[in-house]
Amino acid sequence: AQTVTQSQPEMSVQEAETVTLSCTYDTSENNYYLFWYKQPPSRQMILVIRQEAYKQQNATENRFSVNFQKAAKSFSLKISDSQLGDTAMYFCAFIGAQGGSEKLVFGKGTKLTVNP
Amino acid sequence: NAGVMQNPRHLVRRRGQEARLRCSPMKGHSHVYWYRQLPEEGLKFMVYLQKENIIDESGMPKERFSAEFPKEGPSILRIQQVVRGDSAAYFCASSPGRGDQPQHFGDGTRLSIL
Repeated sequence: AQTVTQSQPEMSVQEAETVTLSCTYDTSENNYYLFWYKQPPSRQMILVIRQEAYKQQNATENRFSVNFQKAAKSFSLKISDSQLGDTAMYFCAFIGAQGGSEKLVFGKGTKLTVNP
Repeated sequence: NAGVMQNPRHLVRRRGQEARLRCSPMKGHSHVYWYRQLPEEGLKFMVYLQKENIIDESGMPKERFSAEFPKEGPSILRIQQVVRGDSAAYFCASSPGRGDQPQHFGDGTRLSIL
């Protein structure tokens, strides 16, 4: 069974600084997808960034980038130039690509606070 | 250009009543997923449906919970004889079904049991 672990329950960062959120996962599959979702206080689930396991290049989306280390099964999220609106819960998620069920497996989340 | 629509946003029920949660997927999406989020936790998969078919219900409790996605109309998550422990946020997501396309989430239904 796949598992996703986020070892940092809470983190804080000063506005305009950079912060990195950690995520590790466990799977026996060779091809899969990884995601970071953001859940602000409004509790919507917003897709931040995704990575395909067979792509070696790390995904980037504006101020958000990932450090994907397939051998180490690590998928960290880096937020540059942090903004107050980045305050939210961040969830790392995994989905297998080998057919069958397409359920997302989520970590327990990291609560990020951006301080002015 | 509507996203995933869930209603109601908030639902209050007394113990023993039934709760019905609705989800209309994004246009062009034929795959629907239901997740439950307990307070201070991540989302947990419940069930995955395509039109008129349940594909994977491995995360759904065996009793009191059921889900459907009829040919016409929204997907329904039904909880019979609710108990306090059913209080949670229930999220629906949809996708076009290709593995490289991410799931898009609705705003969730917050279910409170009195």
